[in-house]
Amino acid sequence: QSALTQPPSASGSLGQSVTISCTGTRSDVGNYNYVSWYQQYPGKAPKLMIYEVSKRPSGVPDRFSGSKSGNTASLTVSGLQAEDEADYHCSSYAGGNTYFFGTGTKVTVL
Amino acid sequence: VQLVESGGGLVQPGGSLRLSCAASGLTFSDYPMTWIRQAPGKGLEWVSHISNTGGHTDYSDSVKGRFTISRDNAKNSLYLQMNSLRADDTAVYYCARDYDFVCDYWGQGTLVTVSS
Repeated sequence: QSALTQPPSASGSLGQSVTISCTGTRSDVGNYNYVSWYQQYPGKAPKLMIYEVSKRPSGVPDRFSGSKSGNTASLTVSGLQAEDEADYHCSSYAGGNTYFFGTGTKVTVL
Repeated sequence: VQLVESGGGLVQPGGSLRLSCAASGLTFSDYPMTWIRQAPGKGLEWVSHISNTGGHTDYSDSVKGRFTISRDNAKNSLYLQMNSLRADDTAVYYCARDYDFVCDYWGQGTLVTVSS
């Protein structure tokens, strides 16, 4: 069992966009459309931002969008705001009631 | 939906601890549940999963044979019995609702520290 690979950090200026990648294998990301993205502030619990690759839960701004190509999923945050500065984690269902999480990406808003 | 974990604390290597997760605001018995942990400064790690009835459980390789997940639907509660604890089990442990292959609601977490 391995973690999904994310870049350790990403940054963008206020109002600009940032995209985070999440690379798995054909057994997880590449095999299921059950990729989720979570936002986490220091000392707080993760919050679901994207599920099933590109769906947004109620209340999540449409500045957050998700996509997938092959074994790699991506989260894009458009129109960056100061409150978007946080850690972001991806997750993929991997079959057999198991899940893999990403290594996490710290997003900095410049 | 509210999930509240408890039971964390400091334990010596080789010791045991039982975590609890109290659920409210949902029909608890309808949903599978999951434990996820996060070591200090690290990413998230899936630990264990239990079906809505408790009849089926799954574990990550790192905890298989040492941890046991269970639930009491009459008490709206989820549990994680952790035995033979090691230093690398040190983490914040979160319980989460599993809704169609996504962990949508999470508790605030409880810290487990394994140290002598």
